[in-house]
Amino acid sequence: DQQVKQNSPSLSVQEGRISILNCDYTNSMFDYFLWYKKYPAEGPTFLISISSIKDKNEDGRFTVFLNKSAKHLSLHIVPSQPGDSAVYFCAASPSGNTPLVFGKGTRLSVIA
Amino acid sequence: ETGVTQTPRHLVMGMTNKKSLKCEQHLGHNAMYWYKQSAKKPLELMFVYNFKEQTENNSVPSRFSPECPNSSHLFLHLHTLQPEDSALYLCASSQVQGPDTQYFGPGTRLTVL
Repeated sequence: DQQVKQNSPSLSVQEGRISILNCDYTNSMFDYFLWYKKYPAEGPTFLISISSIKDKNEDGRFTVFLNKSAKHLSLHIVPSQPGDSAVYFCAASPSGNTPLVFGKGTRLSVIA
Repeated sequence: ETGVTQTPRHLVMGMTNKKSLKCEQHLGHNAMYWYKQSAKKPLELMFVYNFKEQTENNSVPSRFSPECPNSSHLFLHLHTLQPEDSALYLCASSQVQGPDTQYFGPGTRLTVL
């Protein structure tokens, strides 16, 4: 029973274009969402987060959108750069002491 | 050292060996976590410690034994592992347990022969 789903295992985008990574969740109690980026042989690196009181959070080239009614969030990277090529994990947590729940990840390849 | 460090980075062990993984966080956090990442699977939470007390054990086999002597250090003791336990083991920490950003170490790549 996967509570956080990233249905696209991989995505290829041309350099300079927009990358859109999607994540769906099933638990309506989730109220904090994060995106992590992972390079091979390294641990995940925190990228950006959003709480359920917001529908958008922006940090430089990265923007996360949250649609609570659809239980959907997305990460937009504009413009995409070759260094963005990595696996991106979506994670979510309800309030309280419950740890984060991670999706399976989407491998982004940015082609020069 | 800054952030979350893990040693060793790579470990190869036989099924009858005993080894330990070490994690140290330099962020002043109070919660620490062990995760397992196998190929094509989501990150699997194994254990959570909050203020040195174990608060989560996700049905992990007893051949994995965690230890948290203080809020900065976390160990994972390994004994009589199976080849299917080969994976990347990641340590993370956060200020508090729950809806808080976790910061990860680089991981230990474990191979069980």
